[in-house]
Amino acid sequence: DAKTTQPPSMDCAEGRAANLPCNHSTISGNEYVYWYRQIHSQGPQYIIHGLKNNETNEMASLIITEDRKSSTLILPHATLRDTAVYYCIVRFAGGTSYGKLTFGQGTILTVHP
Amino acid sequence: DTGVSQDPRHKITKRGQNVTFRCDPISEHNRLYWYRQTLGQGPEFLTYFQNEAQLEKSRLLSDRFSAERPKGSFSTLEIQRTEQGDSAMYLCASSLAGPNYGYTFGSGTRLTVV
Repeated sequence: DAKTTQPPSMDCAEGRAANLPCNHSTISGNEYVYWYRQIHSQGPQYIIHGLKNNETNEMASLIITEDRKSSTLILPHATLRDTAVYYCIVRFAGGTSYGKLTFGQGTILTVHP
Repeated sequence: DTGVSQDPRHKITKRGQNVTFRCDPISEHNRLYWYRQTLGQGPEFLTYFQNEAQLEKSRLLSDRFSAERPKGSFSTLEIQRTEQGDSAMYLCASSLAGPNYGYTFGSGTRLTVV
């Protein structure tokens, strides 16, 4: 699976948009970009995923660059409850190992009042 | 759908003892995964099952670790002769098969070996 690079930490003011970047310059054509988050003492929570196109759901938006080498997770109106570790993961979409998610260190997002 | 359940939530054991954790996945999910997470690190993959078949095991899963998923429903993770280095959060997740499905994680079992 391709390696991802994320900033170790970011801050955001409550009510503002949080934009979390992820670099995955070695991504291949059959790899998805997944985002998860983990709030303290809980299991990781699925947020969103995409292959080529931008995606939006009730939690967030995912913007993938045209060359697919980087992406941005957008939380449009961050709240204090969005304080968590955010993981960007590239997931192979074929073969017997495609089920496995490989987590990195993630970005610690802190939302301030 | 009550999500993924893990039992117990916390376990304290003495070094050298055996421990067993249980995971109940979402009922229609045929894939089940075990991860381990230590403080300040992201979760590390241990093993996964599709139905009752164990399809992949990490080299992190030493011979003291064994996982089962009889009948393709709940799963157990056993650690024999526990060591202090086994202290971690053990996470279980389930999903439908296919890369277009996200995982649903449980809240984990926190193991402390004293």
